[in-house]
Amino acid sequence: DAMVIQNPRYQVTQFGKPVTLSCSQTLNHNVMYWYQQKSSQAPKLLFHYYDKDFNNEADTPDNFQSRRPNTSFCFLDIRSPGLGDAAMYLCATSRRDYSTDTQYFGPGTRLTVL
Amino acid sequence: KQEVTQIPAALSVPEGENLVLNCSFTDSAIYNLQWFRQDPGKGLTSLLLIQSSQREQTSGRLNASLDKSSGRSTLYIAASQPGDSATYLCAVMEYGNKLVFGAGTILRVKS
Repeated sequence: DAMVIQNPRYQVTQFGKPVTLSCSQTLNHNVMYWYQQKSSQAPKLLFHYYDKDFNNEADTPDNFQSRRPNTSFCFLDIRSPGLGDAAMYLCATSRRDYSTDTQYFGPGTRLTVL
Repeated sequence: KQEVTQIPAALSVPEGENLVLNCSFTDSAIYNLQWFRQDPGKGLTSLLLIQSSQREQTSGRLNASLDKSSGRSTLYIAASQPGDSATYLCAVMEYGNKLVFGAGTILRVKS
């Protein structure tokens, strides 16, 4: 089945130790998104790619970066994780950059920072 | 800045009841509104999407309405079942393909 896949599902890292989260999609969608969802809070958009064009939200911390080497894959890099970065990280895709399109979400990666 | 609020934060009902979840948003300049379901520790599943020009959408036992001018949406669940237990999130789509979410309503349906 076509889908959005996130690896790993659970990630534990130490304070300040860089970590990379992975997202892949078999939907052949042009747009990929990264959201951060802290416990009992609303998901918050960090950034998105339309093809290789990168769009950063104004309040996304500098500590977060992203790479999209090809259509299928997108990575979230956290350079120096702090305790406040512990959260569920959700990847999503949509077919086009039109605001009428549905976004399809992956299962998420839960990040724990020790 | 768009703010999305969901009421109630949590709801517990006996099996078989009809129920309504509420969502409100502060800026009516939206393209669409979506309702999502999130099971514990899982990602989001899209339930219904209402375009800004539409008033409601239905899927099975679910019906969502949208009143853009007043900044409100409701999700109606008929004949609730224990399998409906989950967190339900409302999100509005803004210019730039940006989804702004509410914090969700945690629903528990007791058998």
